[in-house]
Amino acid sequence: QLQLQESGPGLVKPSETLSLTCTVSGGSISTSSYYWGWIRQPPGKGLEWIANIYYRGTTEYNPSLKSRVTMSVDTSKNQFSLRLTSVTAADTAVYYCARVDFWTGYSPFDSWGQGTLITVSS
Amino acid sequence: DIQMTQSPSSVSASGGDRVTITCRASQSIKNYLNWYQQKPGKAPKLLIYAASTLQSGVPSRFSGGGSGTDFTLAISSLRPEDSATYFCQQTYLVPQTFGGGTKVEIK
Repeated sequence: QLQLQESGPGLVKPSETLSLTCTVSGGSISTSSYYWGWIRQPPGKGLEWIANIYYRGTTEYNPSLKSRVTMSVDTSKNQFSLRLTSVTAADTAVYYCARVDFWTGYSPFDSWGQGTLITVSS
Repeated sequence: DIQMTQSPSSVSASGGDRVTITCRASQSIKNYLNWYQQKPGKAPKLLIYAASTLQSGVPSRFSGGGSGTDFTLAISSLRPEDSATYFCQQTYLVPQTFGGGTKVEIK
């Protein structure tokens, strides 16, 4: 059974860089039918898509965050990662990693990590 | 960006009732519409993709419909475990965007 697990610092200071990693188990990240993505949810609010990546490194970013976001993939560790620079309080959210079922043609997020709360505060 | 508007924002219904949630896109998204269920403190769970295709393992009391700009998610016979927030998502254009959510409560 596929499992995704986010790991991150929990607390980040304003203007610093947030780094998150998603470890995939129970399946290979190097699968042609899937992309891998990040989504965030501020406390009590809705969902915002951040970015997707293919195991070969092709990326897709939300234009509203593109200047601050970088996604990468490490197939040897079955992990993918997110870097978000110059964070502010507005970046406080639960960050989810998820698998994108590209094979359906409709790219739903069909498997999710449990989420990790990132708080931006001095 | 394509704006996704859900209504109502919340609904309270009794067990066994039929509940319908609406999602409207600011432009045509054909059928590139997915639905998710999220319970408090948990990650969202995919219910329906391509507007009307039930994800494997999802109970048949959930159904989806629509195309273009107007879509619906229906729960045919509400059960206590259906108490959750439901989100729609369009994947027709980048950036993919989500609706604001509809909270379903059981009376």
